[in-house]
Amino acid sequence: KAGVTQTPRYLIKTRGQQVTLSCSPISGHRSVSWYQQTPGQGLQFLFEYFSETQRNKGNFPGRFSGRQFSNSRSEMNVSTLELGDSALYLCASSSPGLINTGELFFGEGSRLTVL
Amino acid sequence: AQKITQTQPGMFVQEKEAVTLDCTYDTSDPSYGLFWYKQPSSGEMIFLIYQGSYDQQNATEGRYSLNFQKARKSANLVISASQLGDSAMYFCAMREGPGGATNKLIFGTGTLLAVQP
Repeated sequence: KAGVTQTPRYLIKTRGQQVTLSCSPISGHRSVSWYQQTPGQGLQFLFEYFSETQRNKGNFPGRFSGRQFSNSRSEMNVSTLELGDSALYLCASSSPGLINTGELFFGEGSRLTVL
Repeated sequence: AQKITQTQPGMFVQEKEAVTLDCTYDTSDPSYGLFWYKQPSSGEMIFLIYQGSYDQQNATEGRYSLNFQKARKSANLVISASQLGDSAMYFCAMREGPGGATNKLIFGTGTLLAVQP
């Protein structure tokens, strides 16, 4: 069974540009959540989607946005990039059937560098 | 406010010995879940173990066990018989609310474990 797939794995952008990151969840999983990991702030929740609806959002500016498609794949977009957006962006997926086990599976992440 | 505290920035352990990684949490929600993840240098977060707030028994998964002390709000991870491949960053995390309602996790700052031969 394929795991959570994130693309691209690495990318370099310059300030002011925008970036789109993609996440394909494990087959059958309908919940996708996104996290930002930086050395200074640690792991922070960005947002969460379930069946194409955003059901939770973290404390990030409006430059950070996301969406989920009918096949559960999700994208997140960061506009007007700032140096501080350099981070590892992690996507996680889960299934309602895993409620009791609590399993939330992460991808390998997309490492964004903003110059 | 919900919070996860990991007070050990780094730890050393000898191969084949057991090690305990500390985690305390704070929440006012009676329903919550506690997670431990391992993050090797490659960056991927690997799920290790989960404990629900209403679970009566401590969770175990192979060499991993979670020492859940609800009254003390602690959820320590115990790794038995450490292996060199256990060297990684370990994160404790909490989800407030019942499973299925949200997958928003609050993470601790992590503990870097180094297993020595």
